[in-house]
Amino acid sequence: EVQLVQSGAEVKKPGESLKISCKGSGYSFTSYWIGWVRQMPGKGLEWMGIIYPGDSDTRYSPSFQGQVTISADKSISTAYLQWSSLKASDTAMYYCVRLGSDYQFDIWGQGTMVTVSS
Amino acid sequence: QSALTQPASVSGSPGQSITISCTGTSSDVGGYDYVSWYQQHPGKAPKLMIYEVSNRPSGVSNRFSGSKSGNTASLTVSGLQTEDEADYYCSSYTSSTTYVFGTGTKVTVL
Repeated sequence: EVQLVQSGAEVKKPGESLKISCKGSGYSFTSYWIGWVRQMPGKGLEWMGIIYPGDSDTRYSPSFQGQVTISADKSISTAYLQWSSLKASDTAMYYCVRLGSDYQFDIWGQGTMVTVSS
Repeated sequence: QSALTQPASVSGSPGQSITISCTGTSSDVGGYDYVSWYQQHPGKAPKLMIYEVSNRPSGVSNRFSGSKSGNTASLTVSGLQTEDEADYYCSSYTSSTTYVFGTGTKVTVL
């Protein structure tokens, strides 16, 4: 079964760092782009960025460039989303997604809830 | 880049058809046939319903169909059923080699 399994919910304080993960299985991890999508509480989906694990080519939405870092470790079929200094406004559900061969987000992770509160 | 524009809400009675619009620009929706649609039930991850404007993934009901004209894409749900009540989002590839989502539409089955 093709799936993306994300790390568990996190509760952090403003200013702390965080790295969440997304492990792919059931397919060739290095052959498909993996993206990250933010959904703030009660709000819509926002595309954050995407990485090609085969060569680590990475692209960011202008809204998220410089705010987060997307990376991948192809040896363990895992992509990451990280923050160096969290803000309360980073509180959201974060989904990883696989980009299919027809430019569609065909596989979604279950989501990781990140709560940032003092 | 700005989010694609969708109506905030659409409603219909069981058995009826509804259409959700998704308006962008020539740099996204109008420039590429890489428009997809996603259904999201409360508390769940989104699910792919339509890709490349009008293609349905295996397992998605043929009551869902997509189309595009100019800078506006559309999702039509025919024979509306109670389980279709959800949020729907469009997405498009862009000229910046990035992606953008729509603002989202809440579908209510009356």
